[in-house]
Amino acid sequence: AQSVTQPDIHITVSEGASLELRCNYSYGATPYLFWYVQSPGQGLQLLLKYFSGDTLVQGIKGFEAEFKRSQSSFNLRKPSVHWSDAAEYFCAVGARGATNKLIFGTGTLLAVQP
Amino acid sequence: DVKVTQSSRYLVKRTGEKVFLECVQDMDHENMFWYRQDPGLGLRLIYFSYDVKMKEKGDIPEGYSVSREKKERFSLILESASTNQTSMYLCASTPPGTGGITEAFFGQGTRLTVV
Repeated sequence: AQSVTQPDIHITVSEGASLELRCNYSYGATPYLFWYVQSPGQGLQLLLKYFSGDTLVQGIKGFEAEFKRSQSSFNLRKPSVHWSDAAEYFCAVGARGATNKLIFGTGTLLAVQP
Repeated sequence: DVKVTQSSRYLVKRTGEKVFLECVQDMDHENMFWYRQDPGLGLRLIYFSYDVKMKEKGDIPEGYSVSREKKERFSLILESASTNQTSMYLCASTPPGTGGITEAFFGQGTRLTVV
């Protein structure tokens, strides 16, 4: 069975600073990997996804993530954070095959200081 | 655009009531999911369905059941609501992928309070 760990519950960064949110997964094969963002009072929006191929994936709003098989990680990055990026971020892993299960991490709440 | 619609944004129910949460998607997706979201616990999978009348338990199915009689509709049922089921409930659907999951589309959520 797959699982996801987001070790950071809260992160605070200054506006304009770089950001990295950590995600580690457990799965027996190459998984499908996702990052979602949830702004206050809003639904979940897909930022980016990895299925195969290039291990550095680009997403919306200037985010990117890198799949590192050796570390079982899929960390989310942004070079310069904007105040509007304050939100909760969820990493998710999807199984390949018949089970079609999609499992989420516990989330990282990002605060942005002016 | 894909639309996933949950029938209620807010619900208040009494302990012991039978509660139905409805979810409808308009893109002919095979897979549908119910999650509950609680602070510090993220999204936890309750049940999912990969076809009409097919369902599988997720990580926290106790106290819940589901129904999928039509492809576009996936219902979550709380057989006898309890206060520990007070939560935000999120429905999602995904199109069929090549050998697995693809992108999930979410509804806006139903905030259920059991008193």
